Amino acid sequence: GQSLEQPSEVTAVEGAIVQINCTYQTSGFYGLSWYQQHDGGAPTFLSYNALDGLEETGRFSSFLSRSDSYGYLLLQELQMKDSASYFCAVTGSNYQLIWGAGTKLIIKP
Amino acid sequence: DAGVIQSPRHEVTEMGQEVTLRCKPISGHDYLFWYRQTMMRGLELLIYFNNNVPIDDSGMPEDRFSAKMPNASFSTLKIQPSEPRDSAVYFCASRESRDPVYEKLFFGSGTQLSVL
Repeated sequence: GQSLEQPSEVTAVEGAIVQINCTYQTSGFYGLSWYQQHDGGAPTFLSYNALDGLEETGRFSSFLSRSDSYGYLLLQELQMKDSASYFCAVTGSNYQLIWGAGTKLIIKP
Repeated sequence: DAGVIQSPRHEVTEMGQEVTLRCKPISGHDYLFWYRQTMMRGLELLIYFNNNVPIDDSGMPEDRFSAKMPNASFSTLKIQPSEPRDSAVYFCASRESRDPVYEKLFFGSGTQLSVL
């Protein structure tokens, strides 16, 4: 079967750094994506990794290791507005997204 | 651009009634996706279209669900008859095939459906 594993909830302090991990087991792999979803809102695209390594976009970075079937999203200088759910998604063999269950990020002042 | 537009934002109906959800993708986007989101099952792809043609409807749960895309700027998802277990948030998303990041979907605000 195909599966993505990510923690259900992560808690961090405002101004700190937090890492959200994602491991996957899929038939075929083209890339790993990350989406952010605020409560009551729609998923919003954050980043995409097709190759191993780190991609940086402002305070957010995403990492991929294809050999380990593993990736993570790194959020720096946490702000209260970063409180949201974060989803990893893998592009599988049929070019469609396979979604993780999401990680709820709770930020404390 | 106004983004992906969905209507209605909220829908409350009684079991057995027909429900129609509407979506207007971003102009120029040639892929359109319908997703359903629940706490129990997460985000599920129901169906997607490319250039108005349904490509994969394997995620449509039952024959009670149907989707159409009569033109490039409009799609509907219909549930007939509706059941309480259909209660969920339904998202429409679109993407542009020329975007090198295939995975970059633009989601609408969603329709919160409650079937009583």
